[in-house]
Amino acid sequence: KAGVTQTPRYLIKTRGQQVTLSCSPISGHRSVSWYQQTPGQGLQFLFEYFSETQRNKGNFPGRFSGRQFSNSRSEMNVSTLELGDSALYLCASSPDREDSPLHFGNGTRLTVT
Amino acid sequence: KNEVEQSPQNLTAQEGEFITINCSYSVGISALHWLQQHPGGGIVSLFMLSSGKKKHGRLIATINIQEKHSSLHITASHPRDSAVYICAVSTMDSNYQLIWGAGTKLIIKP
Repeated sequence: KAGVTQTPRYLIKTRGQQVTLSCSPISGHRSVSWYQQTPGQGLQFLFEYFSETQRNKGNFPGRFSGRQFSNSRSEMNVSTLELGDSALYLCASSPDREDSPLHFGNGTRLTVT
Repeated sequence: KNEVEQSPQNLTAQEGEFITINCSYSVGISALHWLQQHPGGGIVSLFMLSSGKKKHGRLIATINIQEKHSSLHITASHPRDSAVYICAVSTMDSNYQLIWGAGTKLIIKP
């Protein structure tokens, strides 16, 4: 069974641009959650999608948005990039059953210059 | 004060030693996760537990709900266990709205 796939692995953008990151969950997993990891703030929850609906959202500005498609693939978009958005963005999928762990992708490393 | 505290921050040990990493939390949780992150970023979920104890190979995780404390133990440690170990808790609102600890960087020397 293929794992969680995140694309691209690395991305370099300039301030003010926008970026879209992609996450393909494990087949059969309907929940996809996104996290940001920075050296200063550690890991922080961005949002979680289930069956194309956002179920939970962390404390991030509206520049961070996401969506989930009918095949459970999810995209995350960041508009008007700031230097502080440089981070490792991780997504995780889950079958959303009680006691089912999260399965993480390898992440997308975004550098904003 | 952080809602999830891990100790120690850094740990260096010799191959074969018994390793313990601790995690304390101050919020109500639905579950606690132990994860492993290797250089390069990939995160692997080791355990998800809401009570008692779980064992997988040389890894053991325990949780005491009353004391809001969990430990991760590694028996017969090996250099390939070198990684950052992260404790995270799922809030009562959502299994996925994880609050993360700062991580423990473990180095096992041969």
